[in-house]
Order: sequence, then C-alpha cells, then structure tokens
Amino acid sequence: QVHLQESGPGLVKASQTLSLTCTVSGGSIRSDGLYWTWIRQRPGKGLEWIGYMYYSGYTYYNPSLRSRVTTSVDTSKNEIYLKLSSVTAADTAVYYCARGVRQWRGDYFDYWGQGILVTVSS
Amino acid sequence: DIQMTQSPSTLSASVGDTVTITCRASESISFWLAWYQQKPGSPPRLLIYKASTLTTGVPSRFAGSGSGTQFTLTINSLQPDDFATYYCQQYESYYTFGGGTKVEIK
Repeated sequence: QVHLQESGPGLVKASQTLSLTCTVSGGSIRSDGLYWTWIRQRPGKGLEWIGYMYYSGYTYYNPSLRSRVTTSVDTSKNEIYLKLSSVTAADTAVYYCARGVRQWRGDYFDYWGQGILVTVSS
Repeated sequence: DIQMTQSPSTLSASVGDTVTITCRASESISFWLAWYQQKPGSPPRLLIYKASTLTTGVPSRFAGSGSGTQFTLTINSLQPDDFATYYCQQYESYYTFGGGTKVEIK
C-alpha cells in the first residue's frame, strides 16, 4: 500500500520560504507514469493544484504560483520537496502531496498524504 | 484556465436517497474528469476517474457520467458514510477543482 507523508514547519513568517517534504513509502518514486504533486487547500476553501514533478526532475507548475514555487526530488530517499517563497497570509493552507497517475496528458490523484497545515504569521 | 462549476454547493438528503451532483467545465475536457470525496480532517479520496471509471474499492452505488462540459456524480441509496464533501477535478489542461458539494443529513 502506497503511503505519503508530509512534514515540515507548521508556522512560517511572512516573506519567508515555506519548505515541505513528502516521504513516499510502499512504492518507488521512480515509476513510469507517476507524477508527484503538491496541492493545497486554504481554510474552508477548495483545492488548488500547485505543481508536479517527475522522478527525472521534470517539473510543471501552476502559472499563478510559478514565480514562487520550486520542487525537487531525492530518489534515493523516495522524497519530494516543495519550496514556496515570499509567502503571505494567503498561503496559509493545508498542503498535500499526492500521486498523480498519467492519463493522456493529465493526471488524477489516487494516493494523498494526510496533509500538513502551514500557517503564515505576520 | 478551465473553470469547474459544481452544483449544488450544499445538498440535504436522507439515508437511502439517490443524489446527483453536477460539474460543468468552462470548455470541453473530453472525459478527463475525476471525482473525490473528502471528510473533515482527511485528505480527498479518489472515487472516479476518466469521468466514469470507479476506483478499486469504491462501492458500486457511486457512478459517474458525462463528457465534454457536463458531468454528474450519482450516489444511489445514500449511506451514513457518504455524508461528506465531493469535488470534481479536470485534468485536460492543468488541473482545476470544482468548488465542492457538501452532502449533509436532512
């Protein structure tokens, strides 16, 4: 059974960089057709796709966040990473990592981490 | 960006009812649509992908249909475990989610 677990600071100061880790167990990140994805959910709001990366290092980001987002991967640790720079209160959200299964040119998300609440303080 | 509009935003129903949730895309997404169920404090759970394919382990009372811009999620004989919020998600171009439909107990 695939399991994803997010970790990182739950509190980040405004203007600083949010950094999260997603540890994948029960399966390899180095699998064809799987895209490791970050999604967030602001309090009481819907879901927003942040971006994904492939184990090769290929990345693709939401245009609205592209200038502030960086993702990376460590295949030896089976981990993916998210960095979001210059955060504001609007970035306060539960951040999820999820496994994307490629169909045609997009993905549905079949496994999700439990999520981590990150609060941006002023 | 492709916008996804769900209706209704809230739905009140009783155990045993059949409920239908609608998701409309701002442009055609063929059948590249998924449905998720989310309960408070938990991540979304994939129910259906490619508009109508049921994920392994999801009860057969859940059914998805549609193509192009109009999609529906139907839950037959609603069970106590089904009271939750449901989201649609398109994956034709980038990824966008609907605003959610909360299914609550009448």
